[in-house]
Amino acid sequence: QSALTQPASVSGSPGQSITLSCTGSSSDIGAYNYVSWYQQHPGKAPKLIIYEVTHRPSGVSNRFSASKSGNTASLTISGLQAEDEADYHCSSFTLRFTVIFGGGTKLTVL
Amino acid sequence: EVQLAESGGGLVHPGGSLRLSCGASGFLFSNFWMSWVRLGPGKGLEWLATIKPDASDRYYVDSVKGRFTISRDNAKNALFLQMNSLRGEDTGLYYCARATTLWPPAWFDPWGQGALVTVSS
Repeated sequence: QSALTQPASVSGSPGQSITLSCTGSSSDIGAYNYVSWYQQHPGKAPKLIIYEVTHRPSGVSNRFSASKSGNTASLTISGLQAEDEADYHCSSFTLRFTVIFGGGTKLTVL
Repeated sequence: EVQLAESGGGLVHPGGSLRLSCGASGFLFSNFWMSWVRLGPGKGLEWLATIKPDASDRYYVDSVKGRFTISRDNAKNALFLQMNSLRGEDTGLYYCARATTLWPPAWFDPWGQGALVTVSS
């Protein structure tokens, strides 16, 4: 099964809003509302920031929001801050009862 | 505080074996699905395997099926990954991650710091 598709890199200026995309298929993103997003800073473990498409775990900034349409999920970061510079990974549960990740997007804050 | 700590990584020759361990603390380990996820060099995250709380069910990505075995010891709050017939493409940072208590085990929180596995001759 191929990985979910994410842009390799995106960039934005402080204060700006940016949206990261994650494209899958009817066997994963399109099949369930089990899309998750993870933030990973260099040398650190991934951190869950979104689960079940739109839900934020306790302690995650409300500057992070997410949605899904068809086979594509999106993560929006509003009021971009320097600390948001990191890799962002999307994932989805699949019809085969497995989990599939995207290739990751490197976010640069200019 | 919920904590996961991997151990057992290292350098291994192609075709060799390695067993990773993950010690868990700060939560009721026996209630949670648990998983292994790896980060390959220059690649994205790759989910490898998930095991049910009572170890009665396990799921694997196709690329490791038949070579890797996930297991757990609830009495010792420990998760394991036995890796056999290792290949160069198995090189990476291996994370232990807590999944959910209920089906499906669709997201992971938290993650350990990772164990580095290098497969090279």
